[in-house]
Amino acid sequence: GAGVSQTPSNKVTEKGKYVELRCDPISGHTALYWYRQSLGQGPEFLIYFQGTGAADDSGLPNDRFFAVRPEGSVSTLKIQRTERGDSAVYLCASSSGLPPYEQYFGPGTRLTVT
Amino acid sequence: GDSVTQMEGPVTLSEEAFLTINCTYTATGYPSLFWYVQYPGEGLQLLLKATKADDKGSNKGFEATYRKETTSFHLEKGSVQVSDSAVYFCALSDTQGTGFQKLVFGTGTRLLVSP
Repeated sequence: GAGVSQTPSNKVTEKGKYVELRCDPISGHTALYWYRQSLGQGPEFLIYFQGTGAADDSGLPNDRFFAVRPEGSVSTLKIQRTERGDSAVYLCASSSGLPPYEQYFGPGTRLTVT
Repeated sequence: GDSVTQMEGPVTLSEEAFLTINCTYTATGYPSLFWYVQYPGEGLQLLLKATKADDKGSNKGFEATYRKETTSFHLEKGSVQVSDSAVYFCALSDTQGTGFQKLVFGTGTRLLVSP
């Protein structure tokens, strides 16, 4: 079956612009995660959805970052007033919400802020 | 807070050599431990995991044992292949027993295997 997909695969934007990154989880997966991977680093947790609600958003770096999952499936990560430091690969993962709770990762969106 | 430290790469080996990638962790509770692998051009994949002390995770010839006394989870393989060339990430999750797994990753170790 289809895995986690993310669009776009690459996004180049100018400093100060608004961007949206999309994640399509595996069908039926109730849990969805966003991570950010900066160059040379491991992924860092941003936010976790269980269904439609953000159950934990403690990893969002500031209020320029926001994510939604209105119907409990597709999620959108939104970044306002982008800064060069936001440049990274943004990873999405989904999980069935059942043991063993394995997370399946998408290929990521590479965001470059110029 | 929780953290994971793994050896810096790249690790360069010849085919059929023995592999060890060191990983140590700091956590307040009793985390689950994971190794993820990222092949060139692909997304992160779970390689193996262990959920409690002395557990051994294994997959595709790779092994790692959860050592609580040394807070370590070193990855080993007896004979590497060119196809094992990838970036390997050690990770932990301290939300065991719930549906929420907030993964904390190390910085990754690149493995390069030459024929």
